[in-house]
Amino acid sequence: KNQVEQSPQSLIILEGKNCTLQCNYTVSPFSNLRWYKQDTGRGPVSLTIMTFSENTKSNGRYTATLDADTKQSSLHITASQLSDSASYICVVSPPFFTGGGNKLTFGTGTQLKVEL
Amino acid sequence: KAGVTQTPRYLIKTRGQQVTLSCSPISGHRSVSWYQQTPGQGLQFLFEYFSETQRNKGNFPGRFSGRQFSNSRSEMNVSTLELGDSALYLCASRTGVPSNEKLFFGSGTQLSVL
Repeated sequence: KNQVEQSPQSLIILEGKNCTLQCNYTVSPFSNLRWYKQDTGRGPVSLTIMTFSENTKSNGRYTATLDADTKQSSLHITASQLSDSASYICVVSPPFFTGGGNKLTFGTGTQLKVEL
Repeated sequence: KAGVTQTPRYLIKTRGQQVTLSCSPISGHRSVSWYQQTPGQGLQFLFEYFSETQRNKGNFPGRFSGRQFSNSRSEMNVSTLELGDSALYLCASRTGVPSNEKLFFGSGTQLSVL
């Protein structure tokens, strides 16, 4: 079973609408939880990084939340645009004391399509 | 500041061959990590190099290897290619100091094994 599960697998919304993507993780402990946006054929681009002690982090129209008690994170996209069409990936980083470095655990992603 | 550069962008090989992929990190970044992305498995960690030393390794067979040079550039090698090695190979870099810093990805090398 994947240690980072994302839902929904895919989503279609109309331009201008809001949406929320979910991430459930079992990786514990961890140093931070990240959300990435990946356009087709490109590498992932960092949207937000939250440490285990943070509850929310914003980056423009993107707002990520983290509930360490329930091991859930969400990414809320406000006033969606056509350019938001991409795959959104939830990523958990190992604790620094493990020396895990970039041995990240990735979710399988949510494929978002924004239509007119 | 130039981003992470990966070459080549596309590669077609046949089973049994070997391949070498290259990654140039952002200037000043000493940590380079490699990931494999497939439609079925998603992104998976291959290995990480820091100051020419392998710091971490994922759960991949020994056919997958890498190295890092003194200028932080890194190469990844896959020997005896199998059909299942077809994937997007992504390289990422950061300064290397343990922190919550961003990881910067390149655009990847799309490898097709026929």
